[in-house]
Amino acid sequence: GAVVSQHPSRVICKSGTSVKIECRSLDFQATTMFWYRQFPKQSLMLMATSNEGSKATYEQGVEKDKFLINHASLTLSTLTVTSAHPEDSSFYICSVGSVNTEAFFGQGTRLTVV
Amino acid sequence: AQSVAQPEDQVNVAEGNPLTVKCTYSVSGNPYLFWYVQYPNRGLQFLLKYITGDNLVKGSYGFEAEFNKSQTSFHLKKPSALVSDSALYFCAVRDWYGGSQGNLIFGKGTKLSVKP
Repeated sequence: GAVVSQHPSRVICKSGTSVKIECRSLDFQATTMFWYRQFPKQSLMLMATSNEGSKATYEQGVEKDKFLINHASLTLSTLTVTSAHPEDSSFYICSVGSVNTEAFFGQGTRLTVV
Repeated sequence: AQSVAQPEDQVNVAEGNPLTVKCTYSVSGNPYLFWYVQYPNRGLQFLLKYITGDNLVKGSYGFEAEFNKSQTSFHLKKPSALVSDSALYFCAVRDWYGGSQGNLIFGKGTKLSVKP
């Protein structure tokens, strides 16, 4: 299956700063990537769909100005959490895959905002 | 709306015993169903999927799942559990009708604990 590399695996930042998370598809050209958020002991919630060369599609309730997504190439999507606050602390996971295959997930990024 | 339900928050089994993690689904049309496993602070690892074909699907690490259309279920099973199987398990269905072009909709997850 596809290999998805997500970086960093852990990050601690101060309130008010921005953090960028990268998701790379190493062996799969991904026109679409998905970004999920997972709270402790809860399921994954889709935040947005990253579309190569066009604007991301955000799920209802997700602030697009706060969670900036860029999908500049077929192998890289980035999620930037802007002006982070403690309530943004969470586990963020990206995935790639076609509609007829399983999804392949990155290792996840544990964000802690202090 | 499409959804999956995992009725058990936690499943406890003894090592060597068979295990079952339950999943039921609600979809319009034919379901594309998946099982994933998650270890602490890690991403999700694919176990198996059902798209079409045999109702009994065999996957990674000795896991299998049975697609039951009449009961709208896709329970995950393993004949003999290992302590290393202890993890969080997610059932998922492909979302064909949301605005996100086919992302996965996840169940809430079931924590499997296998004791020696």
